[in-house]
Amino acid sequence: SQQGEEDPQALSIQEGENATMNCSYKTSINNLQWYRQNSGRGLVHLILIRSNEREKHSGRLRVTLDTSKKSSSLLITASRAADTASYFCATDDTGANSKLTFGKGITLSVRP
Amino acid sequence: KAGVTQTPRYLIKTRGQQVTLSCSPISGHRSVSWYQQTPGQGLQFLFEYFSETQRNKGNFPGRFSGRQFSNSRSEMNVSTLELGDSALYLCASSPGGNNQPQHFGDGTRLSIL
Repeated sequence: SQQGEEDPQALSIQEGENATMNCSYKTSINNLQWYRQNSGRGLVHLILIRSNEREKHSGRLRVTLDTSKKSSSLLITASRAADTASYFCATDDTGANSKLTFGKGITLSVRP
Repeated sequence: KAGVTQTPRYLIKTRGQQVTLSCSPISGHRSVSWYQQTPGQGLQFLFEYFSETQRNKGNFPGRFSGRQFSNSRSEMNVSTLELGDSALYLCASSPGGNNQPQHFGDGTRLSIL
């Protein structure tokens, strides 16, 4: 069953614009992670935010976590055509980081 | 460091057959997890092995099984294949502790005819 639900399901933007993707989840979590998947490839880990953290940055990525609303957002600034991919949020609610529950993903298209 | 390696990349089987998929984790990683990805159900957790022991299991029938060897390499087996088993099977490894990202291979694309 899906824990995370991403929003929107698809996003199309121009190169240089910012992309914001949202994720909601249902149960208590230990951490939330964002992954990227290019077509036909495996998932690439982008960022992990722990349940006691509110915001985290990594390069052009900014992730926020609101545990009271059970939601997270991923912001990609100054997007590039190479950012075109599917993005997934995943929650770890076991504490062992061994069983991630994924959302259905967001398809991001960045037009050159 | 080499990444997670999955073999084979593509596999075609017929209903009723069985299949074994292989995963070599990143060197030093002791945890290996398996996921099934389909357009309809998305990414679903199958099971996780840590130090040769199954530590977590998802909601899949007993036809899906796995094991892990002393060198942390893992295999996943699916018996009596059904059409619905067509999917991308992804393996991920991590050191095994808390709050650590998982590193994924490129998967095995299994098609059932």
